[in-house]
Amino acid sequence: EAQVTQNPRYLITVTGKKLTVTCSQNMNHEYMSWYRQDPGLGLRQIYYSMNVEVTDKGDVPEGYKVSRKEKRNFPLILESPSPNQTSLYFCASSFRRGRQETQYFGPGTRLLVL
Amino acid sequence: GENVEQHPSTLSVQEGDSAVIKCTYSDSASNYFPWYKQELGKGPQLIIDIRSNVGEKKDQRIAVTLNKTAKHFSLHITETQPEDSAVYFCAASSGGGADGLTFGKGTHLIIQP
Repeated sequence: EAQVTQNPRYLITVTGKKLTVTCSQNMNHEYMSWYRQDPGLGLRQIYYSMNVEVTDKGDVPEGYKVSRKEKRNFPLILESPSPNQTSLYFCASSFRRGRQETQYFGPGTRLLVL
Repeated sequence: GENVEQHPSTLSVQEGDSAVIKCTYSDSASNYFPWYKQELGKGPQLIIDIRSNVGEKKDQRIAVTLNKTAKHFSLHITETQPEDSAVYFCAASSGGGADGLTFGKGTHLIIQP
């Protein structure tokens, strides 16, 4: 089954304790992105990647890091989490055929930083 | 950067009626406009998209229109059904794809039986 998977789905942590949220896709997509979703603010892009070893900042990259060492994986790293990073996080992947594109989202990771 | 405004924030319609959700964007360079549907507890799902070289696109009961001059685009759902109840997001991008997507804040569509 074609899908984007994220782990963990739920995470409670404390301020300053480094964490990684993994994202993996089995569709051989070139493009991958991370978003956060907050009430009243909608979806905001954190980082995106256009291919292996190619990443770029989205609208809200502060406090986050990403890496794209393999095509299928795009982990999100919080080196020193803070309470304002409490949010619902989505990973997404997509591919393009000419000018047609479909973006697939993962199920989400709900993070609480105490 | 790009700014996308979406209205209304909540929309309640009778089953069988039509629903229209509107978005405006600020960056005239934007050329890709997808719409997503998010059901409770799930990630957003792309339902339709339009690029700036066309004015309208249809897929069964769903259609999207684009007015580049006015910088606005709309989602139209006809013959609404209970399963259409969800949060809908519009988005805009100047990169021709998913790099640099800016989302609207979402519309909670409620279908009344």
